[in-house]
Amino acid sequence: GAGVSQSPRYKVAKRGQDVALRCDPISGHVSLFWYQQALGQGPEFLTYFQNEAQLDKSGLPSDRFFAERPEGSVSTLKIQRTQQEDSAVYLCASSLGGPPDTQYFGPGTRLTVL
Amino acid sequence: KQEVTQIPAALSVPEGENLVLNCSFTDSAIYNLQWFRQDPGKGLTSLLLIQSSQREQTSGRLNASLDKSSGRSTLYIAASQPGDSATYLCAVSTSGTYKYIFGTGTRLKVLA
Repeated sequence: GAGVSQSPRYKVAKRGQDVALRCDPISGHVSLFWYQQALGQGPEFLTYFQNEAQLDKSGLPSDRFFAERPEGSVSTLKIQRTQQEDSAVYLCASSLGGPPDTQYFGPGTRLTVL
Repeated sequence: KQEVTQIPAALSVPEGENLVLNCSFTDSAIYNLQWFRQDPGKGLTSLLLIQSSQREQTSGRLNASLDKSSGRSTLYIAASQPGDSATYLCAVSTSGTYKYIFGTGTRLKVLA
C-alpha cells in the first residue's frame, strides 16, 4: 500500500480481555516502531523491530504487552488481560532503514478498555 | 534521559498571522529532530526533518530551525490559514537509540 495501515481503527475491550492490534508497514521498510499515545500527550515509544528482530522493547509497560513481526513485515501488538490504563491510541511507524531515516506513521488504533 | 518540552501548549491566532512554535530538549546528542502535524483522530504527518548537522529546513510556508548547542528548535509558520489548525509535535531521535522522544505538542487554532 501507499502508507502504513493499522487495524482495527477502533477497539473496545472489557477489562481482562486480550486484544491484538495489527500494523502493515510500507512495503520494503526494514524498521518498525510501536508507540502509545495517551489522551493529550505525545506518543511514547514501546518497541522497535529491524526486520523480524525485536531490538528494543524497553518501552513496553508490563509483561502483558507483547509484540511480534515474524516475517519481517506485518507486526502485531498483543495486550493480555487489558486494564483501564491501557486505553490509548497505539501508533505504528516504519522507516526504510534505521535512524536517522524518517519514520512514517499509521493512523493508529484507538483502544478503549471499559 | 532525553526530555522534550513544547511551548505554548495551545495557541489561537487570527488567519494571516506569522507564528512560532517552540521545542526544547535536554540532551544535545541527537541524530535528528522532526516536526509532525496531528489532526484529531488521525496519525502523524511528518512536516520537516532536520538532521543534527543542519541548521534549518524549509517547506512551503514552514521553516524549522535547530540550535543543538542550546537544545532548541522552532517551527515558523508564515501567513497562517484555518487549514493549519492541528496539534504540532516535536520529536527527537537521540544518538545511540532508535526511538523518538516526543513533546506533548502545541494545539494550534487559526481563526478565519
